[in-house]
Amino acid sequence: DIVMTQSPDSLAVSLGERATINCKSSQSVLFSSKNYLAWYQQKPGQPPKLLIYWASTRESGVPDRFSGSGSGTDFTLTISSLQAEDVAVYYCHQYYNTQTFGQGTKVEIK
Amino acid sequence: QLQLQESGPGLVKPSETLSLTCTVSGDSISSSRYYWGWIRQPPGKGLEWIGNVYYSGNTYYNPSLKSRLTISVDTSKNQFSLKLRSVTAIDTAVYYCARLGVIYQLQSYFDYWGQGTLVTISS
Repeated sequence: DIVMTQSPDSLAVSLGERATINCKSSQSVLFSSKNYLAWYQQKPGQPPKLLIYWASTRESGVPDRFSGSGSGTDFTLTISSLQAEDVAVYYCHQYYNTQTFGQGTKVEIK
Repeated sequence: QLQLQESGPGLVKPSETLSLTCTVSGDSISSSRYYWGWIRQPPGKGLEWIGNVYYSGNTYYNPSLKSRLTISVDTSKNQFSLKLRSVTAIDTAVYYCARLGVIYQLQSYFDYWGQGTLVTISS
């Protein structure tokens, strides 16, 4: 199984500041120039919501303050200017070899 | 607008079988080009992929659950289902059904999710 490790487990960011979440896979998820990596946002009592797929493609309707980057085994989700509604747990997800998720990163307001 | 809705018992006894159904509306499973999946989340914990199914009945399971798991599809009802046998307390979780977002592709992210249903394993 590919193990996905996120860091940090939680972070507190001031409103309007940048939030950065890292995700590392135990083996490369790059194949044919595509990174099989997605990011989700989950708010309490709600299902996960797809934010980013193919590591950097923003899902329709997702604000452009959310961006994904990285390749191979190292990936980053960036929220460029944190808003109150961004408080949530964020998960990375590899779909290259079966499906595995990171443990989640909780984002709070400082 | 695609919608998925999980249904089934909220309480299952240990050693029995957990059975859930996902009803899809806004798209036809039989004419769809997508795979469909199940994911679970123990209370306060992270996400675990359970398995995927195609309208043809082809299935793909998490190896850690494979020996206890059956996922099936009923195209006449536009539903797919999950059966997990010999459950224990560690199977207590919110169970989500979801669609895999890339047509014809098993290797895909999940783009549409149901609201989830909590299943508690307890006597």
